[in-house]
Amino acid sequence: EAGVVQSPRYKIIEKKQPVAFWCNPISGHNTLYWYLQNLGQGPELLIRYENEEAVDDSQLPKDRFSAERLKGVDSTLKIQPAELGDSAVYLCASSLNGGELFFGEGSRLTVL
Amino acid sequence: KNEVEQSPQNLTAQEGEFITINCSYSVGISALHWLQQHPGGGIVSLFMLSSGKKKHGRLIATINIQEKHSSLHITASHPRDSAVYICVLGGGADGLTFGKGTHLIIQP
Repeated sequence: EAGVVQSPRYKIIEKKQPVAFWCNPISGHNTLYWYLQNLGQGPELLIRYENEEAVDDSQLPKDRFSAERLKGVDSTLKIQPAELGDSAVYLCASSLNGGELFFGEGSRLTVL
Repeated sequence: KNEVEQSPQNLTAQEGEFITINCSYSVGISALHWLQQHPGGGIVSLFMLSSGKKKHGRLIATINIQEKHSSLHITASHPRDSAVYICVLGGGADGLTFGKGTHLIIQP
């Protein structure tokens, strides 16, 4: 079975440009997380979904970040406009009913 | 909010040594996860524990619910075990709480 799939793996954009990341969780997993990870740091939660509902988006910078999880399956994280400080790895993870966590490989964003 | 403390923050050991990484937390939890992240790599789940002990190859994880403490042990450590090991609490309605991680280096 495929794991958590993220795309793109790498993205380089200029500041003020928009960018979108896509996550396909493991089939049937109800919980989906988006994390931001800076170099040498631990993951920081951006948003957590239970099915299609965003149950924790308190750390999501809503002026420029948005996310959606239509139909409670795939999810998209968007940044518009991107800033230099947004350069990081964006991780998606999923789990089933609070069980084992599965992480994607991450999407590495570089903002120039 | 649950507080989680990992120790040590950094650990350098020689190949073959027995490694222990500790995780303590302040509030009762439903589950505890141990994750591994190699430099520049993705995050892999090693264990999910709610009680007792689990073993996978050279890795052993234990949890003491009463003492609110978990340990991750690596037997016969190898340079490929060099990674960051992260203790994560929860996973249910309260979401996840990440420890700061333990940077492990195993020297040949």
